[in-house]
Amino acid sequence: DADVTQTPRNRITKTGKRIMLECSQTKGHDRMYWYRQDPGLGLRLIYYSFDVKDINKGEISDGYSVSRQAQAKFSLSLESAIPNQTALYFCATSTYREGYTFGSGTRLTVV
Amino acid sequence: AQSVTQLGSHVSVSEGALVLLRCNYSSSVPPYLFWYVQYPNQGLQLLLKYTSAATLVKGINGFEAEFKKSETSFHLTKPSAHMSDAAEYFCAVSDGAGSYQLTFGKGTKLSVIP
Repeated sequence: DADVTQTPRNRITKTGKRIMLECSQTKGHDRMYWYRQDPGLGLRLIYYSFDVKDINKGEISDGYSVSRQAQAKFSLSLESAIPNQTALYFCATSTYREGYTFGSGTRLTVV
Repeated sequence: AQSVTQLGSHVSVSEGALVLLRCNYSSSVPPYLFWYVQYPNQGLQLLLKYTSAATLVKGINGFEAEFKKSETSFHLTKPSAHMSDAAEYFCAVSDGAGSYQLTFGKGTKLSVIP
């Protein structure tokens, strides 16, 4: 099994729908992140969490929310999806010693 | 605050030629610097990282990068390009062992011409 698992891998949803992207990890890392990748813009930080009770907004948190259900699980929600949220989403974990580990990504299309 | 600028969104080299991908950073604290590679339809893989030890960092697949504080640069090089190097490359900076958040550049897509 992958160290950082994202589900689903691909998702098409309609404008206005609520959608949740899930991330689970077996690394045992406290720190978890959600990034969004758009062509030509690189990766931008949406939310990050240093532990279950510590959740912080990143650069582009508007329109998104997160939930840290356990040390190993960090979910990203789009309350009312819009087309410009179409992107590739990455979950990641980190420690100072081991650095970052990224999931394989979730490709989300909002139509 | 920290930021990364990658010069050139698209770089083409001939197979066997030198690869040079440019990265300049801005950071208010001593930075940690990273290069990641993304192959088509895949996630990000760490190529190499600088964490305040040796300024010349060697990574996987024959890549290396040199941290130059005076130039605020961390350019990625490989002496001889291979077809399998075709991918998108991202430079990233973090504020060391602080928040350890990564700020990414916009990426450089490398094409290798046979």
